[in-house]
Amino acid sequence: EPEVTQTPSHQVTQMGQEVILRCVPISNHLYFYWYRQILGQKVEFLVSFYNNEISEKSEIFDDQFSVERPDGSNFTLKIRSTKLEDSAMYFCASSALGGNQPQHFGDGTRLSIL
Amino acid sequence: GENVEQHPSTLSVQEGDSAVIKCTYSDSASNYFPWYKQELGKRPQLIIDIRSNVGEKKDQRIAVTLNKTAKHFSLHITETQPEDSAVYFCAASYNNNDMRFGAGTRLTVKP
Repeated sequence: EPEVTQTPSHQVTQMGQEVILRCVPISNHLYFYWYRQILGQKVEFLVSFYNNEISEKSEIFDDQFSVERPDGSNFTLKIRSTKLEDSAMYFCASSALGGNQPQHFGDGTRLSIL
Repeated sequence: GENVEQHPSTLSVQEGDSAVIKCTYSDSASNYFPWYKQELGKRPQLIIDIRSNVGEKKDQRIAVTLNKTAKHFSLHITETQPEDSAVYFCAASYNNNDMRFGAGTRLTVKP
């Protein structure tokens, strides 16, 4: 069964540094998402992306965050100047169509800000 | 925006018993309600979902009910097994956008 893949599995970064988290969605999927989960807490929506532009973003997704689909397979989340509170698990997800199709999650990237 | 409340936060049952987890949502426009199971350190995995045009859906031991008028939906697991132990999250969205999750229910099934 095809899977969403994320790299790296764990990223350790100094506060104030830029970090890029990478995702390869399932190949025939058209909608892409990023979520954040702080340890022991709920999954939080960050952003959805379709047709090379952001569809929706949450209040968490401020100017420090950006997303990009640099080629036909990758989908990236960039945090421009990391803060301690950015430490979390970041999940990428994709779905085949927009309206109410299941979102498939990757294994996540654990981001640790020192 | 959408707000999803989930109860209980923890649930402990004996193997073979049923487990019920309840969620309420605030935005009447929401039309898609998935349930995810998350084992420790793993990805959320979709176990069942329901769309607003149906009131109930069942898949083997798992069922979900939706009451649009009251804006609540529930997960029912029958004949629970130790491998059902995990954190379960409900979620709600309009057309899969801006999906909001509940706070999660830690289910423990005791053998």
